[in-house]
Amino acid sequence: LAKTTQPISMDSYEGQEVNITCSHNNIATNDYITWYQQFPSQGPRFIIQGYKTKVTNEVASLFIPADRKSSTLSLPRVSLSDTAVYYCLVGDSWGYQKVTFGTGTKLQVIP
Amino acid sequence: KAGVTQTPRYLIKTRGQQVTLSCSPISGHRSVSWYQQTPGQGLQFLFEYFSETQRNKGNFPGRFSGRQFSNSRSEMNVSTLELGDSALYLCASSSPLRTGTSGANVLTFGAGSRLTVL
Repeated sequence: LAKTTQPISMDSYEGQEVNITCSHNNIATNDYITWYQQFPSQGPRFIIQGYKTKVTNEVASLFIPADRKSSTLSLPRVSLSDTAVYYCLVGDSWGYQKVTFGTGTKLQVIP
Repeated sequence: KAGVTQTPRYLIKTRGQQVTLSCSPISGHRSVSWYQQTPGQGLQFLFEYFSETQRNKGNFPGRFSGRQFSNSRSEMNVSTLELGDSALYLCASSSPLRTGTSGANVLTFGAGSRLTVL
């Protein structure tokens, strides 16, 4: 499973766009990039998944450059409820690999 | 449809005891994995089961064990509890993001079982 590196923490004001970048230099050809969000005392929740270029859903966008060695999760106009830990995972088939969550990025949204 | 259900939500045990935690995956999900989360170590993979077979195991001592039943429900057991076993134990079932397409399976987590060892 490709190792990932993310900033440990970030602060942002309400209403701003937040970009969290994840480095995964050893990503394999068949790997996908998946982001999860976790609130205290809850299990992580799926946000978005992508393979290359850009993916957008109702809550976030995921930008993946051509070399796929990094990815950026973009949260538009964050609110206080977006305060959470965000994890980037890289892999193909979870069932055949040990799933490794890194330290994640703790996002603190400030009023 | 119902999500991943974990029981009990909270429990307190003393050192040396053993504990069994239960997880019911989303209907139709055949893969169930377990994780331990502590403030110091973060989210750590314990093991994963698919069709009643353990396919992967994390780096935990033999005191941690699990099993999966034919209906995909899973249990994990920790014997001879230690203070350091106090943690949030999370279970997740997985499925493809979209049926019939490629991609990494998506994990759906339960709310967890909070274990305190005194």
